[in-house]
Amino acid sequence: KNQVEQSPQSLIILEGKNCTLQCNYTVSPFSNLRWYKQDTGRGPVSLTIMTFSENTKSNGRYTATLDADTKQSSLHITASQLSDSASYICVVSQRSNDYKLSFGAGTTVTVRA
Amino acid sequence: NAGVTQTPKFQVLKTGQSMTLQCAQDMNHEYMSWYRQDPGMGLRLIHYSVGAGITDQGEVPNGYNVSRSTTEDFPLRLLSAAPSQTSVYFCASSYKYSITGTYEQYFGPGTRLTVT
Repeated sequence: KNQVEQSPQSLIILEGKNCTLQCNYTVSPFSNLRWYKQDTGRGPVSLTIMTFSENTKSNGRYTATLDADTKQSSLHITASQLSDSASYICVVSQRSNDYKLSFGAGTTVTVRA
Repeated sequence: NAGVTQTPKFQVLKTGQSMTLQCAQDMNHEYMSWYRQDPGMGLRLIHYSVGAGITDQGEVPNGYNVSRSTTEDFPLRLLSAAPSQTSVYFCASSYKYSITGTYEQYFGPGTRLTVT
């Protein structure tokens, strides 16, 4: 069964600090990996999409990395802001059917002033 | 563009009642899908459609029906609500990047359903 595991389940950081979220997956054959941000009471919003050949991708203060060999990805948040408080979801798709996505349970990030 | 819209935002049903969750998109996306999100779990695919007139089952289709008569609309019907269907439901639509073939999904704001 294709699985996506995220860690930690939740974390609290002080405003201005950095943090890194982890994602391990078993989805095969791999097509692409996405990171979504989900604010409380809202739908997920895409941050990055990385294909097999991409190792790093940035979107403002968010930087995602991908190691397709070890099937691991990370999302690094730099200089956190209060608006970064949200759930961050790792999503992986299979090459055979890109429409069917495997979702992680998410990491809840709380940024405190 | 309104993007992906969902109605209602909140709904409370009694066991055995039926209802339809509405989803519409104005981006001319071919692909639309329904997910449910439960605490501590990732989003799970209920049903999806790759175009008008075409639907297929996802991971957890039991108790739900869908139809796709137009490109814009993709309603989700609960046939006989059960407490296990208490969840947050998200509709999503996709277009295709022309170069990589990667499908970017856009999610609606969600419908929070409680079945008592």
